[in-house]
Amino acid sequence: AQRVTQPEKLLSVFKGAPVELKCNYSYSGSPELFWYVQYSRQRLQLLLRHISRESIKGFTADLNKGETSFHLKKPFAQEEDSAMYYCALSGRRAGGTSYGKLTFGQGTILTVHP
Amino acid sequence: DGGITQSPKYLFRKEGQNVTLSCEQNLNHDAMYWYRQDPGQGLRLIYYSQIVNDFQKGDIAEGYSVSREKKESFPLTVTSAQKNPTAFYLCASSITGLAEYNEQFFGPGTRLTVL
Repeated sequence: AQRVTQPEKLLSVFKGAPVELKCNYSYSGSPELFWYVQYSRQRLQLLLRHISRESIKGFTADLNKGETSFHLKKPFAQEEDSAMYYCALSGRRAGGTSYGKLTFGQGTILTVHP
Repeated sequence: DGGITQSPKYLFRKEGQNVTLSCEQNLNHDAMYWYRQDPGQGLRLIYYSQIVNDFQKGDIAEGYSVSREKKESFPLTVTSAQKNPTAFYLCASSITGLAEYNEQFFGPGTRLTVL
């Protein structure tokens, strides 16, 4: 069985402070990890995926297979980062294709104060 | 914005009634998904379909049914057997294939309230 845990339901920081949203996972195969974000009155959308090793809106996330973690980090938080963030897991087949379906964590509401 | 649409936005149901939530996409995606979003529980997968005329149960399929007769459409029926149907329902779609392209696109959601 696969499981994603986001230990913090709520996270508050001040503008300009570093922020880290924690995500831990449990999966016996080869994992694909994602961060999805839902801004107020907008649709849930992909923020970044581990396989791309990219930085989006200043956010980065590194897959740590030893600690089974995929924490989302940003060195200087902005007020527009306030949103609900979900960590999600999918499986990767041996041939490089994806199983497609996602397992989501419980979500973390990030509030960035001015 | 288009791409994937859900209707209605709000839906009220009396206990004992079945209701059907609509999900349509024009992205030419093979795969479609239904999730339920509850506060503090994240998104939980109800059903998913990777190709027309085929679908699989997700983690919480009891009390729900789906069909996938067309590539563009994946309606979800909430039956009277669902014990706690009041929730926010999200539909998503994605292409299938290489892991590098595995991104799900979400609709705006339907909020179902049982009276």
